[in-house]
Amino acid sequence: NIVLTQSPASLAVILGQKATISCTASESVNKFGINLMHWYQQKPGQLPKILIYNEFSRAPGIPARFSGDEAELNFTLTIEPVEADDVATYYCQQGLTFPLTFGSGTKLEIK
Amino acid sequence: QVTLKESGPGILQPSQTLSLTCTFSGFSLSTYGMGVGWIRQPSGKGLEWLANIWWDDDKYYNPSLKNRLTISKDTSNNQAFLKITNVDTADTATYYCARIEGDNNYGYWGQGVMVTVSS
Repeated sequence: NIVLTQSPASLAVILGQKATISCTASESVNKFGINLMHWYQQKPGQLPKILIYNEFSRAPGIPARFSGDEAELNFTLTIEPVEADDVATYYCQQGLTFPLTFGSGTKLEIK
Repeated sequence: QVTLKESGPGILQPSQTLSLTCTFSGFSLSTYGMGVGWIRQPSGKGLEWLANIWWDDDKYYNPSLKNRLTISKDTSNNQAFLKITNVDTADTATYYCARIEGDNNYGYWGQGVMVTVSS
């Protein structure tokens, strides 16, 4: 199974600053040159919502404040500038290999 | 407009079989490329993928549940189903169904249904 290690487990960021969430995959999630790494946001008491698919593509309606990147199996979700509405838990998920796996989540709070 | 809604028993006893239904609209599971997945989340914990089913009846399961899962569909009624046999307290969770987009990501989710396993 592909293991996704997310860090940090929680993160407190000042409004307007940058939040960086990391997700390290235990092996490649690349398919024909595309990294099948996806990011979700889950606000308290709500269902998950896709933010980023295939490493860096924003889902419809997702603002440019959210971006995805990758370097050597280490995937990053960046939120800049952070807004109050971004308080949520963020999950990465790989779509390459079954069983599909999720990271353990990163809880974002406003400092 | 794509919508999904899960339904289930709410509470059941250990060793029983959990039967979940996902009723959806805005797409058809008879359309090429379409698929639905099930994901669960124990209270206060992370997401766990359970199973996927596609338009051509291709299916994948999470092996960690050791053959307890069965996913199926009824394309005529726009429904997908998940059965989990021999449940125990560890199966207590909110269960979500979601539409599979390209490359196994989930673009549309249901609101989730809470399931409690308790004696």
